Amino acid sequence: NAGVTQTPKFRILKIGQSMTLQCTQDMNHNYMYWYRQDPGMGLKLIYYSVGAGITDKGEVPNGYNVSRSTTEDFPLRLELAAPSQTSVYFCASSYSRNRDTEAFFGQGTRLTVV
Amino acid sequence: KQEVTQIPAALSVPEGENLVLNCSFTDSAIYNLQWFRQDPGKGLTSLLLIQSSQREQTSGRLNASLDKSSGRSTLYIAASQPGDSATYLCAVRSGSARQLTFGSGTQLTVLP
Repeated sequence: NAGVTQTPKFRILKIGQSMTLQCTQDMNHNYMYWYRQDPGMGLKLIYYSVGAGITDKGEVPNGYNVSRSTTEDFPLRLELAAPSQTSVYFCASSYSRNRDTEAFFGQGTRLTVV
Repeated sequence: KQEVTQIPAALSVPEGENLVLNCSFTDSAIYNLQWFRQDPGKGLTSLLLIQSSQREQTSGRLNASLDKSSGRSTLYIAASQPGDSATYLCAVRSGSARQLTFGSGTQLTVLP
């Protein structure tokens, strides 16, 4: 059981470049989330999805885009990378119906924009 | 807007001590609360999940309590060990997105 898988683990981008962070889960979870974590801080929500075809903005969505074409995959797209996007990015998933399960997190993607 | 605060920000204790980490949140309309452990440069490991209808959860040397009406949770670690050294994050699930809102964490160091 792989859980939540993120790729890549590390990446260095130049200012203005674009990239996609991949996230996939094999637990048939309906909710998926992208968070970023800056040094010494908690995690902040970027985007979330409540199911395939449905996405919405979180607390810090500027400079990012997402899509959810399948239940399993929830990629995060960075367009025109900026130094302020240097951070660690975490993907998470959970199941929510009558009861909310615990959230499972990927191992993170450490991104540096130079 | 939900806000989560963790006190203290850092804690250093000798091995064997029992300790308590605190978490408070501003909006009591939560679905559940989850405690995580994060080792340096690593991802988040879920420790305990407390549903909004529950008062506490236990796993081994860990015990988490929830007082939803007062907006507080505590994580109790018994007989601490150097291997417990990590950052502990509290997160509450609330809102229409059922998202987790995180505190900034407590960095725990257990000295041998």
